[in-house]
Amino acid sequence: DAKTTQPTSMDCAEGRAANLPCNHSTISGNEYVYWYRQIHSQGPQYIIHGLKNNETNEMASLIITEDRKSSTLILPHATLRDTAVYYCIVRPPVPGTALIFGKGTTLSVSS
Amino acid sequence: EAGVTQSPTHLIKTRGQQATLRCSPISGHTSVYWYQQALGLGLQFLLWYDEGEERNRGNFPPRFSGRQFPNYSSELNVNALELEDSALYLCASSLGVLAVYNEQFFGPGTRLTVL
Repeated sequence: DAKTTQPTSMDCAEGRAANLPCNHSTISGNEYVYWYRQIHSQGPQYIIHGLKNNETNEMASLIITEDRKSSTLILPHATLRDTAVYYCIVRPPVPGTALIFGKGTTLSVSS
Repeated sequence: EAGVTQSPTHLIKTRGQQATLRCSPISGHTSVYWYQQALGLGLQFLLWYDEGEERNRGNFPPRFSGRQFPNYSSELNVNALELEDSALYLCASSLGVLAVYNEQFFGPGTRLTVL
């Protein structure tokens, strides 16, 4: 079973920031938080991951709370092409650990 | 840099037949993972190969099998196809077991339809 809880769906206006929350209250000390997204019928796309510090890359920012029980993925300027299912996954840094995908959040970006 | 590639894009088989799906990992990646995404069931882990060996498998029957070749490409074989095997089969690759970072990068998938 997935160890994360995400809202089923969210809407965002084009050009605005999209903030996608994720609860992972049972996360262990060595587990990372990963975010992937899947655009309809395509393979999942890696977005970002972090342990306890906030992380930023060219796609998004990841904000992890101090107690590490929740996190937020931020897409700073959402575009129509960001419409996808977003998955929050926790996993230990153990090679070969399978990604356990939950149901994710369906983000709909509209103009 | 080329990403993970999979072939064929679509595959149509009938019940009882065998299907073979192929995956080429990102250059430099030695680990290959297979996932199944059936309609309404989400992504389910199938198999993990590294350095030519099967390292782990998910909760799937033995008729799901595969192998990894010396060039790190991989095949997934599904024998005695059943209707419920219809799904999108996704391959992912990552750096090997000795790597500090081993994020998985996915291919576009093979859509298998069993009639």
